[in-house]
Amino acid sequence: NAGVTQTPKFQVLKTGQSMTLQCAQDMNHEYMSWYRQDPGMGLRLIHYSVGAGITDQGEVPNGYNVSRSTTEDFPLRLLSAAPSQTSVYFCASSTPGSLGFGNTIYFGEGSWLTVV
Amino acid sequence: DAKTTQPNSMESNEEEPVHLPCNHSTISGTDYIHWYRQLPSQGPEYVIHGLTSNVNNRMASLAIAEDRKSSTLILHRATLRDAAVYYCILRDTPPKLIFGTGTRLQVFP
Repeated sequence: NAGVTQTPKFQVLKTGQSMTLQCAQDMNHEYMSWYRQDPGMGLRLIHYSVGAGITDQGEVPNGYNVSRSTTEDFPLRLLSAAPSQTSVYFCASSTPGSLGFGNTIYFGEGSWLTVV
Repeated sequence: DAKTTQPNSMESNEEEPVHLPCNHSTISGTDYIHWYRQLPSQGPEYVIHGLTSNVNNRMASLAIAEDRKSSTLILHRATLRDAAVYYCILRDTPPKLIFGTGTRLQVFP
């Protein structure tokens, strides 16, 4: 049971390049999310998904796309990288469970992205 | 979304108890109170959560005020490994968590 796995861990991009951050979970969780964390700040929600085929925008969705074709995977695509997207990105997953909204969220170890 | 207010930083000595406060005066009846912590260069990890009653687990205790407008995370005996940023979060809409800036806890030997 690996939990939430993110790849790559580190990446340097040039402005205008595109790339995909991969996220996979092996816990059969319905809910998955992407957050970004800038230095000295808390995490901000980019996009989230409540199940395969269903995605929605969070607080800071501009410049990012997501899709959810399977329960396990939730990739985050940067369409045209900008220096403002330099950040640490965290993927998270959880299950709604019988208690509704009281369940634990599991985070990946993060992906450090630098756009030059 | 309901907001939380936490002190920016707190300090403790090793082996002493730590009380981390959180104010959430606009909490709604369906909001669970979650605490996560983030160690340096790692993703956040779950600490504890509760709705109305005080909660205990192997990591910490959560004391919730009777009116639910504030809560306190209690680390009974702080260790150096507990140095982290602690986030108090209200969650009512899955799967969203709205993070504030949290409380940076420093633990001194």
